[in-house]
Amino acid sequence: QKEVEQNSGPLSVPEGAIASLNCTYSDRGSQSFFWYRQYSGKSPELIMFIYSNGDKEDGRFTAQLNKASQYVSLLIRDSQPSDSATYLCAVNIPGNQFYFGTGTSLTVIP
Amino acid sequence: DAGVIQSPRHEVTEMGQEVTLRCKPISGHNSLFWYRQTMMRGLELLIYFNNNVPIDDSGMPEDRFSAKMPNASFSTLKIQPSEPRDSAVYFCASSLGGGIGYEQYFGPGTRLTVT
Repeated sequence: QKEVEQNSGPLSVPEGAIASLNCTYSDRGSQSFFWYRQYSGKSPELIMFIYSNGDKEDGRFTAQLNKASQYVSLLIRDSQPSDSATYLCAVNIPGNQFYFGTGTSLTVIP
Repeated sequence: DAGVIQSPRHEVTEMGQEVTLRCKPISGHNSLFWYRQTMMRGLELLIYFNNNVPIDDSGMPEDRFSAKMPNASFSTLKIQPSEPRDSAVYFCASSLGGGIGYEQYFGPGTRLTVT
């Protein structure tokens, strides 16, 4: 079982819709959770991080963490074509371990 | 700030040759990370340093790989000898925090092709 799992997609949503990206993790001791966006041929860039259960909002982005169910999600409201990218979930596991999921490819259709 | 700087951006080499990748972290950041990204395995953490000291190198695939950080502004990842299966994009990232659970800022990557 992988430490971090994501649906590889592709996920397609129409412009203006809400895109929902999900990530599950295996280690209950995981402490911090990150969402990175990676455009094709570019490096990952941090969108959001979350440490506590619940929701964290930043502009059009909302990260949701549920430690009991071991999942973290990213919601993108009012999706734009410029949001088309691969979204990587990353988890910090105790013992100085840090794992990325393989990413979910998102396409926003104009 | 110039961000994380990596060189070279592209490297093509023949099997058996030595390859050295270079990274300059963001000034003031005290943690540095080396990653490898492939289509098959995604983004894998190879090694990370805190205050120039290697903290965890369990991700280094084998003895052919070595990394150094002689000072706070420079790190190298060396592969000797290189093999075709080492072909990947290698990213360097840095963070301000002292541990691994902090926001990381990635460099543009080095695309390595071993023929």
